[in-house]
Amino acid sequence: KNEVEQSPQNLTAQEGEFITINCSYSVGISALHWLQQHPGGGIVSLFMLSSGKKKHGRLIATINIQEKHSSLHITASHPRDSAVYICAVGSQGGSEKLVFGKGTKLTVNP
Amino acid sequence: GAGVSQSPSNKVTEKGKDVELRCDPISGHTALYWYRQRLGQGLEFLIYFQGNSAPDKSGLPSDRFSAERTGESVSTLTIQRTQQEDSAVYLCASSYKLDSLYEQYFGPGTRLTVT
Repeated sequence: KNEVEQSPQNLTAQEGEFITINCSYSVGISALHWLQQHPGGGIVSLFMLSSGKKKHGRLIATINIQEKHSSLHITASHPRDSAVYICAVGSQGGSEKLVFGKGTKLTVNP
Repeated sequence: GAGVSQSPSNKVTEKGKDVELRCDPISGHTALYWYRQRLGQGLEFLIYFQGNSAPDKSGLPSDRFSAERTGESVSTLTIQRTQQEDSAVYLCASSYKLDSLYEQYFGPGTRLTVT
């Protein structure tokens, strides 16, 4: 079993829809990261959080440490949000190296 | 300011040759990471450098892989006797400590193709 599980693997939405991507992990973590990988391959860090909730524009990330679960929400989705969204966890007490989920491929149609 | 840069952006090499990939981190970032992404697969950790501490090499897949970092600057990832399964995008990231957490900034990657 992968240490970081994401769902769904693929997601297709219509422009304007509310999107939720889920991430569950099985190890102790220092922080959880949400990353966005564009079709060209570049990776951008969206959020890094160790508790609670963070919001940036139309993006919201939440984490429940007790349940070892995080969600990434996109409000009023837009075709430019189409990308692969990757959940990654930083290991506790060590190198902060990231363990990655397999990603969720989001396609937002106009 | 300048982000993480990597060179070359693309590299095609013949099986059995050695290759060297370069990463220039963001100035002032103490930590540097190498990751690999094979086609259609998720990212894998390879190696981590933090200041003058011994690197965490736990992700290197074989002894053909090695990496060095000069102080808190440039890093090189070397793959000796390349094999076709080494074909992947090799990503470098650097980070600094923010409120006891390390936010990572990724480079554009080097796409390695072994023929």
